[in-house]
Amino acid sequence: DAGVTQSPTHLIKTRGQHVTLRCSPISGHKSVSWYQQVLGQGPQFIFQYYEKEERGRGNFPDRFSARQFPNYSSELNVNALLLGDSALYLCASSLYALPQETQYFGPGTRLLVL
Amino acid sequence: DQQVKQNSPSLSVQEGRISILNCDYTNSMFDYFLWYKKYPAEGPTFLISISSIKDKNEDGRFTVFLNKSAKHLSLHIVPSQPGDSAVYFCAASVNNAGKSTFGDGTTLTVKP
Repeated sequence: DAGVTQSPTHLIKTRGQHVTLRCSPISGHKSVSWYQQVLGQGPQFIFQYYEKEERGRGNFPDRFSARQFPNYSSELNVNALLLGDSALYLCASSLYALPQETQYFGPGTRLLVL
Repeated sequence: DQQVKQNSPSLSVQEGRISILNCDYTNSMFDYFLWYKKYPAEGPTFLISISSIKDKNEDGRFTVFLNKSAKHLSLHIVPSQPGDSAVYFCAASVNNAGKSTFGDGTTLTVKP
């Protein structure tokens, strides 16, 4: 079975641009979470979606938005990119959004903002 | 203020010996704690977890201990193997593992 997939794997953008990152969860998984991992730090929670509804948002500015599609894939959008947005963006999926459910992470999209 | 802290950025251990990775937290509302392992160019992989109602959970060579009064948890790996060399993240959540708070990780190196 395919794991969580993310595209693209790498991306270079300039300040002020917009970026869209994509995530396909494991087949049958209905919950998707997004995390940002800055170099040298741990992943930081951005969003969780379950059944196309936002279930949680971390401490990120409104430049960050996301959505989940009927096939449970998800997009993370970041507007007006800043240098500080350079990071590894991770997507994780689970069957449901249950309290102690195992999360399966994709390999991430590495974003560099110049 | 960082709610989950891993104070040791790195740890080096000889093959066959015990590896002990530590993690401290400040939020008493956390009710579920997890350890993830991460290799370069891969996403974190779930390793082991523990609910706040327990103080120990074991899975093969991996054991996690939780000390709620000290707000401290640790991961023991016995015996350590070279393939265990990776970055280990401690994470905690309140009623939803999909919204976890992570520490900054400890890089474990197991020498043959």
